[in-house]
Amino acid sequence: DVKVTQSSRYLVKRTGEKVFLECVQDMDHENMFWYRQDPGLGLRLIYFSYDVKMKEKGDIPEGYSVSREKKERFSLILESASTNQTSMYLCASSFLTSTHEQFFGPGTRLTVL
Amino acid sequence: GQNIDQPTEMTATEGAIVQINCTYQTSGFNGLFWYQQHAGEAPTFLSYNVLDGLEEKGRFSSFLSRSKGYSYLLLKELQMKDSASYLCAVTLGISGTYKYIFGTGTRLKVLA
Repeated sequence: DVKVTQSSRYLVKRTGEKVFLECVQDMDHENMFWYRQDPGLGLRLIYFSYDVKMKEKGDIPEGYSVSREKKERFSLILESASTNQTSMYLCASSFLTSTHEQFFGPGTRLTVL
Repeated sequence: GQNIDQPTEMTATEGAIVQINCTYQTSGFNGLFWYQQHAGEAPTFLSYNVLDGLEEKGRFSSFLSRSKGYSYLLLKELQMKDSASYLCAVTLGISGTYKYIFGTGTRLKVLA
């Protein structure tokens, strides 16, 4: 059974804190993605990675960074959390070619107070 | 710019047929995916179209016209469990791989 797991389902942090969201996949996928999902805005791509130590900016990378030290793990870092980063964060993974679907993790609902 | 349009909300009756439309204007196109997302859950894959035409998979079918930048998802014999959001996504080639651009999703309510 394929699986993408995320470190937390719910997280509450304070403004200015450094926040780490972790994602692990067990499918040997090359691609990994971080999205945020907000009502009325849909899924927006923050960063993605197609190989270890490789990263590409998505559509809304400001205020975020990522790390991919191992193929199965992709971390999203909020260097200094702000209230406008309160959102649902979804991790996904897929094989390299565009004909393959993405598999999503269960999501982390982050609240920044 | 990249733009994908879907209706925000639709309502249909159990047992009926519903068509959810998606139009896109993107710089580049590799293929189009449809995902289903129940409230509070992660999206799950429904269908993939890369060539023009209809792809059928049980009660669900998806159509693509690349020349018109248009797709639709057809759901037949609606069931209550089909109440969910349906996300249209276009894949674009970038940096030797690809990325997805998602529409904002269509929330479907199935009424008894």
